[in-house]
Amino acid sequence: DAKTTQPNSMESNEEEPVHLPCNHSTISGTDYIHWYRQLPSQGPEYVIHGLTSNVNNRMASLAIAEDRKSSTLILHRATLRDAAVYYCILSGNNDMRFGAGTRLTVKP
Amino acid sequence: KAGVTQTPRYLIKTRGQQVTLSCSPISGHRSVSWYQQTPGQGLQFLFEYFSETQRNKGNFPGRFSGRQFSNSRSEMNVSTLELGDSALYLCASSFHRSAPRNEQFFGPGTRLTVL
Repeated sequence: DAKTTQPNSMESNEEEPVHLPCNHSTISGTDYIHWYRQLPSQGPEYVIHGLTSNVNNRMASLAIAEDRKSSTLILHRATLRDAAVYYCILSGNNDMRFGAGTRLTVKP
Repeated sequence: KAGVTQTPRYLIKTRGQQVTLSCSPISGHRSVSWYQQTPGQGLQFLFEYFSETQRNKGNFPGRFSGRQFSNSRSEMNVSTLELGDSALYLCASSFHRSAPRNEQFFGPGTRLTVL
């Protein structure tokens, strides 16, 4: 099964943009790319998802490489509340495959 | 609109026992998925139920089972508990079937400790 690879941790300054990378070189043509984040002692929270085209919503933007082997989650202005573990996930017909996640630290 | 609720929030069991966890999805959501989260394996998909039928299943032994009721509430059961079953069990609901392709809403989880 295709998996995702993410950096273990990243740091950002408050009010600056953050680019969280994800590698999924063995993605299949029907896999969607999802991003969720998890705050301490909470369940994951949906952030964004896409298939081939770049996507924007109120929380973030998702940039998907043309070959779909990588993607980047973009938080346009990081706030302290964005500190969380961010998971890049592949979802096919039957399941969701989580990577290990990137722990984002936001410094004031 | 109330979120996904899971009961109990914490549970302690001993090896060999069985346990049942409950999940109430967001009103109107018909799909319920279950996940296991451990420090070593991370988040792993267990199974998805839609309209009282198991639609998808992850790579877990048969000791892990579930069901869904007509009101979309779901329960998962783990029999013959092992130490390695200690984990946070998360439930997620979605309006659509094939939940992995759609936005899911997660509950806070049930923390199971097996002694």
